[in-house]
Amino acid sequence: DTEVTQTPKHLVMGMTNKKSLKCEQHMGHRAMYWYKQKAKKPPELMFVYSYEKLSINESVPSRFSPECPNSSLLNLHLHALQPEDSALYLCASSQGEGPRWTQYFGPGTRLLVL
Amino acid sequence: KNQVEQSPQSLIILEGKNCTLQCNYTVSPFSNLRWYKQDTGRGPVSLTIMTFSENTKSNGRYTATLDADTKQSSLHITASQLSDSASYICVVTAPLKGGGNKLTFGTGTQLKVEL
Repeated sequence: DTEVTQTPKHLVMGMTNKKSLKCEQHMGHRAMYWYKQKAKKPPELMFVYSYEKLSINESVPSRFSPECPNSSLLNLHLHALQPEDSALYLCASSQGEGPRWTQYFGPGTRLLVL
Repeated sequence: KNQVEQSPQSLIILEGKNCTLQCNYTVSPFSNLRWYKQDTGRGPVSLTIMTFSENTKSNGRYTATLDADTKQSSLHITASQLSDSASYICVVTAPLKGGGNKLTFGTGTQLKVEL
């Protein structure tokens, strides 16, 4: 299994809703990432988990809350989002956090906040 | 300011033709440079990775070059196919002082291959 899966593929939510994005990989990778990508822009790093511990938080608002229940799963909990949070949310994983490890990306969850 | 600049911003070519995409970076220090292909609405897929000492790397019809002195890289696509239509993103990895690494993404080149 050499892929990163993300669910759901699409999500529409209101500003008062609570929802979660899920990411899963079974490649034995120990580093997992959340990125946010707006249309025609490069991905922006949000969070990095290494060995199930949060290692990088790129000053992301608290309405985004990551969780790594185990080495194969990464969640992103969403609460009280704003319309400007609408974007493609990408999950990635790599064997390690070092620069030589390639990040493998999932297909993304397209989020629309109304 | 984005430290990875790509050109052209968009490109349209006929099927079967070759093309070259450019990437200039100012990221320093430098660990490696990757080219990713991203289809619309999908996650990026790694095409090539090059470290400081590598000048060229091929992956099928894709050939990447790197000049670490001038901080320039190119991605050459040979005999283009309709399925090559995508955004091509140059990504430079730099080590962080406290450990770990940071990826800086270029803005991408949107390639369209037409019949």
